[in-house]
Amino acid sequence: GQNIDQPTEMTATEGAIVQINCTYQTSGFNGLFWYQQHAGEAPTFLSYNVLDGLEEKGRFSSFLSRSKGYSYLLLKELQMKDSASYLCAVMDSNYQLIWGAGTKLIIKP
Amino acid sequence: GAVVSQHPSWVICKSGTSVKIECRSLDFQATTMFWYRQFPKQSLMLMATSNEGSKATYEQGVEKDKFLINHASLTLSTLTVTSAHPEDSSFYICSAPTSGADVGEQYFGPGTRLTVT
Repeated sequence: GQNIDQPTEMTATEGAIVQINCTYQTSGFNGLFWYQQHAGEAPTFLSYNVLDGLEEKGRFSSFLSRSKGYSYLLLKELQMKDSASYLCAVMDSNYQLIWGAGTKLIIKP
Repeated sequence: GAVVSQHPSWVICKSGTSVKIECRSLDFQATTMFWYRQFPKQSLMLMATSNEGSKATYEQGVEKDKFLINHASLTLSTLTVTSAHPEDSSFYICSAPTSGADVGEQYFGPGTRLTVT
């Protein structure tokens, strides 16, 4: 079957760095997405990786290794507003999105 | 875990025709379902909130007469794109919260890719 695994919850300190991992097993691969979602709001697109390597975008970076079926989202200089759920999703060979359950990130002062 | 399904997963239709997309919660009841649209490499954009037994709530800029939503039961919501045009080609995704309002309890469907020719 197809599945996406990511931790359910993580806690980090304001100003620190946190890495949220995502492993996947899917039928084919057409890219991996990371989304941020605050409670009661629609998810916000953070990144899209289709080739191996690191994509940096300000305080957020996303890494992909297709051979390992692995990605991570790296958040630097954490701010309180970064408290949210982070969703990992993979687009399979049929262009369907396989969603992870999301990682709830709690930022403490 | 909770599962949300969508049907069809991929549809191609001619301009001017209507297309119906179904969203089902398979092992839980959902009084509320959300419909999103996603263009390539862009964020999911919330289109409307579907409420069982009452009218849907549409986001600003979304034409309610074009995107008809029906939430007839606690496990099924449908989105009908009426008189589809090529600019309606997009990826449509539904989601449903289980119990409570915690984002972590919201489950997303696999999406429906609509291509209008």
